[in-house]
Amino acid sequence: QVQLQESGPGLVKASETLSLTCNVSGGYMINYYWSWIRQPAGKGLQWIGRIYNSGSTNFNPSLKSRVTMSVDTSKNQFSLKLSSVTAADTAVYYCAREGRDYHYYYMDVWGKGTTVTVSS
Amino acid sequence: SYVLTQPPSVSVAPGQTARISCGENNIGSKSVHWYQQKPGQAPVLVVYDDSDRPSGIPERFSGSNSGNTATLTISRVEGGDEADYYCQVWDSDSDHQVFGGGTKLTVL
Repeated sequence: QVQLQESGPGLVKASETLSLTCNVSGGYMINYYWSWIRQPAGKGLQWIGRIYNSGSTNFNPSLKSRVTMSVDTSKNQFSLKLSSVTAADTAVYYCAREGRDYHYYYMDVWGKGTTVTVSS
Repeated sequence: SYVLTQPPSVSVAPGQTARISCGENNIGSKSVHWYQQKPGQAPVLVVYDDSDRPSGIPERFSGSNSGNTATLTISRVEGGDEADYYCQVWDSDSDHQVFGGGTKLTVL
């Protein structure tokens, strides 16, 4: 079955850009959205944004100005860049697949998550 | 913009029924999805499109959605059901996914 694996630096300096990649194995990327979600320690889930295999994107309005996403279906991977990070961006970052049966998408496959700490 | 309201905590004895609510004005017009997250693990989809279950999810997990409240119901609760549960919808006004704040289910 489809498996997702996040990778990237676990430590990022404040004001710099956080970069993560999610590798997709065991399946194809077409006809799905590919998302990033984060979770600060002890807090709830926050959806960051998603990208379709065509490159179409949607972002959380609260993060939109700092987020860039890309997809490379030939490598079966997609990426997240979050610029101008602060301590508030410290969190576990998950990648996920969004699928649907009818009209609305839901996250049906998740990666294990990777912890990113922003240092001052 | 949608704000999904969940109770911070729900407690239930083993074998009883747990009900976790997710509230927002007219949420009954949306499709609601539910996730279970155990400590140190990634979330797992347990109900989608209000009341459908992914393969491998026990029938004890069910969902409903009407009016201003969606509900995740867990029947015959077991110790292994102890986890955080999150509801999620698509906010079509601003084109983004929204999660509820999460509910911690404690099995007494």
